[in-house]
Amino acid sequence: EAQVTQNPRYLITVTGKKLTVTCSQNMNHEYMSWYRQDPGLGLRQIYYSMNVEVTDKGDVPEGYKVSRKEKRNFPLILESPSPNQTSLYFCASSYRINEKLFFGSGTQLSVL
Amino acid sequence: GQQLNQSPQSMFIQEGEDVSMNCTSSSIFNTWLWYKQEPGEGPVLLIALYKAGELTSNGRLTAQFGITRKDSFLNISASIPSDVGIYFCAGSSIQGAQKLVFGQGTRLTINP
Repeated sequence: EAQVTQNPRYLITVTGKKLTVTCSQNMNHEYMSWYRQDPGLGLRQIYYSMNVEVTDKGDVPEGYKVSRKEKRNFPLILESPSPNQTSLYFCASSYRINEKLFFGSGTQLSVL
Repeated sequence: GQQLNQSPQSMFIQEGEDVSMNCTSSSIFNTWLWYKQEPGEGPVLLIALYKAGELTSNGRLTAQFGITRKDSFLNISASIPSDVGIYFCAGSSIQGAQKLVFGQGTRLTINP
């Protein structure tokens, strides 16, 4: 089954403790992206990747890192999480940029 | 970054009523997508539009790519309880980095 898988679904952590949210897609998509969703603000792009080893900042990249060592994986790294990063995070992929995006089920992160 | 204005932000309707929502942009877009997000899940693509004036249906859903290329509309006819969710528009501008940008979402609540 074609899908975008992200883990974990729920995560509670404390300020400053590094964490990684994993994302994997099995559709051989070139383009992958991370979004955060906050009430009233919709989906805001954090980082995106056009292909392996090619990543770029989205609209809200501060406090986040990503890597794209393999085509299928696109982890999101929070080196020193802060409470304002409490949010619902979505990974998405598509064959090319600006084409139909397929989304994962989301990761609800709470930073205390 | 580029922004889409989506309205209304929320709708409370009776089962069986028709629903209309829209998105506008200050830029000319070459792609419009409409997504639905149900609780606890990621957004799922409903309709994709690629040409100005295009009118596309998916069951009871109909979406249109505005002829000015700066807006799009989604209509749902004869709403049913499973239509509940958040609807997002997304667009890609020919002037931007070709990334998809999302509207703030329309939360649809249906009273049976």
